[in-house]
Amino acid sequence: AQSVTQPDIHITVSEGASLELRCNYSYGATPYLFWYVQSPGQGLQLLLKYFSGDTLVQGIKGFEAEFKRSQSSFNLRKPSVHWSDAAEYFCAVGPLQGAQKLVFGQGTRLTINP
Amino acid sequence: DAGVTQSPTHLIKTRGQQVTLRCSPKSGHDTVSWYQQALGQGPQFIFQYYEEEERQRGNFPDRFSGHQFPNYSSELNVNALLLGDSALYLCASGLGQVNNSPLHFGNGTRLTVT
Repeated sequence: AQSVTQPDIHITVSEGASLELRCNYSYGATPYLFWYVQSPGQGLQLLLKYFSGDTLVQGIKGFEAEFKRSQSSFNLRKPSVHWSDAAEYFCAVGPLQGAQKLVFGQGTRLTINP
Repeated sequence: DAGVTQSPTHLIKTRGQQVTLRCSPKSGHDTVSWYQQALGQGPQFIFQYYEEEERQRGNFPDRFSGHQFPNYSSELNVNALLLGDSALYLCASGLGQVNNSPLHFGNGTRLTVT
């Protein structure tokens, strides 16, 4: 069965602090992994994606993620968060071709303390 | 370059009614997928359309149907609305025959069933 687990429903960090959001997946084939961000009332914006190559991938807005096959994880990181990073973050997994049928995690809501 | 556009933005319907949601894909994209996002949850895949045919379907009843037009735009129809159909409905577009093509999401249609 295909599934994505985001263990942390809600995380609060101080502005300027580092951030790590966890994601574990279960997928039968070679996974195509994504992180999306959703601001209130908005759609999903793609932060970064991974399907092969260097296991550390860089995305937009200063985010990066590391793929660890042995741990079935794809954690999202940022060295220093900004107040504008407050949002909901979703990890997703899908097939390589077309990647239309994505399986999403439940999401992690990020709150930033000033 | 217009991204994925959805209409209407918000919609209120009564239980038992029928609703149609519309989506225009990002320029150059030929595949449209629909997702349902209940409050506090991650998006769930409803179905995908490519070349005017439904190609994949998630675990949703037949009350959910769709259509893709020759210009690649799409409609999502839901019949016999239930209170549980209240959600944000997201449309996503991509390139159906291209490997490693990520999805681009619209801002969604917020459906409230009373």
